[in-house]
Amino acid sequence: DIVMTQSPDSLAVSLGERATINCKSSQNLLYSTNNKNYLAWYQQKPGQPPKLLFYWASTRDSGVSDRFSGSGSGTDFTLTIASLQAEDVAVYYCQQYFDTPFTFGPGTKVDIK
Amino acid sequence: QVQLVQSGPEVKKPGASVRVSCKASGYTFTTYGISWVRQAPGQGLEWLGWISAYNGNTNFAQKFQDRVTMTTDTSTNTAYLEMGSLRSDDTAVYYCARDGRFGFEALDIWGQGTMLTVSS
Repeated sequence: DIVMTQSPDSLAVSLGERATINCKSSQNLLYSTNNKNYLAWYQQKPGQPPKLLFYWASTRDSGVSDRFSGSGSGTDFTLTIASLQAEDVAVYYCQQYFDTPFTFGPGTKVDIK
Repeated sequence: QVQLVQSGPEVKKPGASVRVSCKASGYTFTTYGISWVRQAPGQGLEWLGWISAYNGNTNFAQKFQDRVTMTTDTSTNTAYLEMGSLRSDDTAVYYCARDGRFGFEALDIWGQGTMLTVSS
């Protein structure tokens, strides 16, 4: 199985400051045939289902604020929140859909400092 | 509006079975698949498997292969997850989520979740 790791486990950032979350996969998620990274990012707020933020590592889903950006390729990926807002407090998960079983990272909890 | 609406909470005894439903609306059901994901209390997300609403093909995580069944009813646009031989560590919120027709896509629409409690 592909193992997904995330760092840090949690972070607290001041309002308006940048938050950066890293995700690493145990195998390459870049499919050479279509040059796409099979990596998604989700945001989950308490008591709610996860919400898709990015797919193909860097394609923002419809309606997602451009404060959020996704980057990376291969085995190393990053989710950045450019200017943290109160509504961004959540747990963020990366997920690989390159190979089954599709696996998620353990999550990174983002709070306000 | 595109949505997945799941059935209500369940309480089961160890060894029992449960069936959770996931009704799709707002899109052409057979153009996509459904993945099932669970989340134990205070824990992360775990993928159980996928079913194509297009052709009924399935793919399960190995740890669930022996006791999970996934089906779809295209006449009602509903997907079902059935899990047997329930144990206390199956206590979790179970989510359905829209996936690709052939799988291997990000999960863009999620149901609200169904809480399953397994307790004697």
